[in-house]
Amino acid sequence: NAGVTQTPKFQVLKTGQSMTLQCAQDMNHEYMSWYRQDPGMGLRLIHYSVGAGITDQGEVPNGYNVSRSTTEDFPLRLLSAAPSQTSVYFCASRGDRGAETQYFGPGTRLLVL
Amino acid sequence: GQSLEQPSEVTAVEGAIVQINCTYQTSGFYGLSWYQQHDGGAPTFLSYNALDGLEETGRFSSFLSRSDSYGYLLLQELQMKDSASYFCALNTGFQKLVFGTGTRLLVSP
Repeated sequence: NAGVTQTPKFQVLKTGQSMTLQCAQDMNHEYMSWYRQDPGMGLRLIHYSVGAGITDQGEVPNGYNVSRSTTEDFPLRLLSAAPSQTSVYFCASRGDRGAETQYFGPGTRLLVL
Repeated sequence: GQSLEQPSEVTAVEGAIVQINCTYQTSGFYGLSWYQQHDGGAPTFLSYNALDGLEETGRFSSFLSRSDSYGYLLLQELQMKDSASYFCALNTGFQKLVFGTGTRLLVSP
């Protein structure tokens, strides 16, 4: 199993550009999330999904969209990039409700100029 | 809302025992998790407390007291590889974690 994979590993954008951060997991997990981590900070929840076709907002959803058309994939879309979105983005997944272990992807480092 | 407080940095020597505290404010939660993150890496799950008391996993133990809004992570027999950041996180829903700002642990020889 590859676990949770994220692409790209690093991206530079100009203000106003849009892009999609990809996340995929091969563990057949129902639950997936996107977090951002700013320097010296903890992770903050952007959006999450409890199954295919079901998504909801987290703590900091503004400027981001998500969709969950399959169990495996959970892409994060930046609609119009802003310097405040410069961060490291982590995707995570979890199995059934009795398992509390979140598996994190390696992260995408995003720089918005 | 929810908030969690952790010390920003803790230092210890190899072989020692260190405790990383976490105090929180919340209107409700399912449990408290702990994650380890090395510089440039992804968080990795260490431990979870759904109920009050101590959970032990190898060299790591975690404790929760809901009445005191307090938890801690205990690391025993410290090794150099334990130098990392440690985060406590409240589980507030099926896939919703609220993280603390993290504690940087520096282990010296």
